[in-house]
Amino acid sequence: DQQVKQNSPSLSVQEGRISILNCDYTNSMFDYFLWYKKYPAEGPTFLISISSIKDKNEDGRFTVFLNKSAKHLSLHIVPSQPGDSAVYFCAAKRGDTDKLIFGTGTRLQVFP
Amino acid sequence: DGGITQSPKYLFRKEGQNVTLSCEQNLNHDAMYWYRQDPGQGLRLIYYSQIVNDFQKGDIAEGYSVSREKKESFPLTVTSAQKNPTAFYLCASSESPPGELFFGEGSRLTVL
Repeated sequence: DQQVKQNSPSLSVQEGRISILNCDYTNSMFDYFLWYKKYPAEGPTFLISISSIKDKNEDGRFTVFLNKSAKHLSLHIVPSQPGDSAVYFCAAKRGDTDKLIFGTGTRLQVFP
Repeated sequence: DGGITQSPKYLFRKEGQNVTLSCEQNLNHDAMYWYRQDPGQGLRLIYYSQIVNDFQKGDIAEGYSVSREKKESFPLTVTSAQKNPTAFYLCASSESPPGELFFGEGSRLTVL
């Protein structure tokens, strides 16, 4: 049972444009969400997070939006740069557990 | 520098052999985790430990074993009982309770 879903396995965006990566979840008990970025043969690195008490969090070019009623979150990257090309994972957790549940990832390619 | 060190980076194993992957952290984090990454399946939790001398099974613990004798170390043994051991293994740590996970560089295990 996939509790965190990233339905788009890949996304291709032109440099300078906006990249929007989507993530859906099924467990209404999740209260903290994170995005990670991963390059091949490396460990994921933390990008940005959001608590369920917020609906938006912004850090430079990266903004995460949370729609609790739709159980949906999205990561916006603007403007997109070639160095953003990587696999992006969303993850979620419940406050009473130490487990992070990851989605399947979306491969973003930013072309010139 | 503080961080998580996984070794070896690449490992080849014959069928029927056990192999142990090392994970060491100097971040003074209480919690440590092992994830497995397979193409198209994201990161799946194998085992995690919230404190020394204690650990819990994750979603895919069968065929794996761990120990947590020291706060800094959380080795993973892939036993011959693991049906499909070829994968990219990621170790992570976090403060407890966790927000952000810090990942190592990963270990790629190939069974010949």
